[in-house]
Amino acid sequence: EDQVTQSPEALRLQEGESSSLNCSYTVSGLRGLFWYRQDPGKGPEFLFTLYSAGEEKEKERLKATLTKKESFLHITAPKPEDSATYLCAVYTGANSKLTFGKGITLSVRP
Amino acid sequence: ETGVTQTPRHLVMGMTNKKSLKCEQHLGHNAMYWYKQSAKKPLELMFVYSLEERVENNSVPSRFSPECPNSSHLFLHLHTLQPEDSALYLCASSQVPDTGELFFGEGSRLTVL
Repeated sequence: EDQVTQSPEALRLQEGESSSLNCSYTVSGLRGLFWYRQDPGKGPEFLFTLYSAGEEKEKERLKATLTKKESFLHITAPKPEDSATYLCAVYTGANSKLTFGKGITLSVRP
Repeated sequence: ETGVTQTPRHLVMGMTNKKSLKCEQHLGHNAMYWYKQSAKKPLELMFVYSLEERVENNSVPSRFSPECPNSSHLFLHLHTLQPEDSALYLCASSQVPDTGELFFGEGSRLTVL
């Protein structure tokens, strides 16, 4: 069974304090790893897709990386508006099913 | 209207009521989904429709009944629900079904009394 584990469960940072969010996975035949951002009271918003180990994607202060066992979402010099829950999901192509982690709630203090 | 819109945003119902959640996508996508989001749990896939045909029913109780009349609209009919069904129900769409790049609506917050 596909498993996705995100850590830490919650993270509090000071504005400008860079850090990383972890997503470890156990799947048979990864076809894609996805990062989403979810603001309170809203649906998840797609951020990145990573397909193979060694791949990296960047968007503003966010950078996602992928190895054969885990993915990191690096946040450089975060701002309060980066506060949200970040979700990781894996796709194996079976039955159009994405397997999500529980998410990491990030709070950035001014 | 743009993106994926869901109505109602909030719904309170008794265990014997019948209600429906509505989702409409304005993106020209060919696949639509219902997900359930409960506190402290991962998003759970409930149903997938591709070109209006159901391709996945993820062992969902029969008290949840989906309907997809066309590629832009998706409904979730609710009847005889249980308190543990209280959750945020999210609709999503994608260009094709074989992808993890989903566009979500803002969700319908359901409370079952």
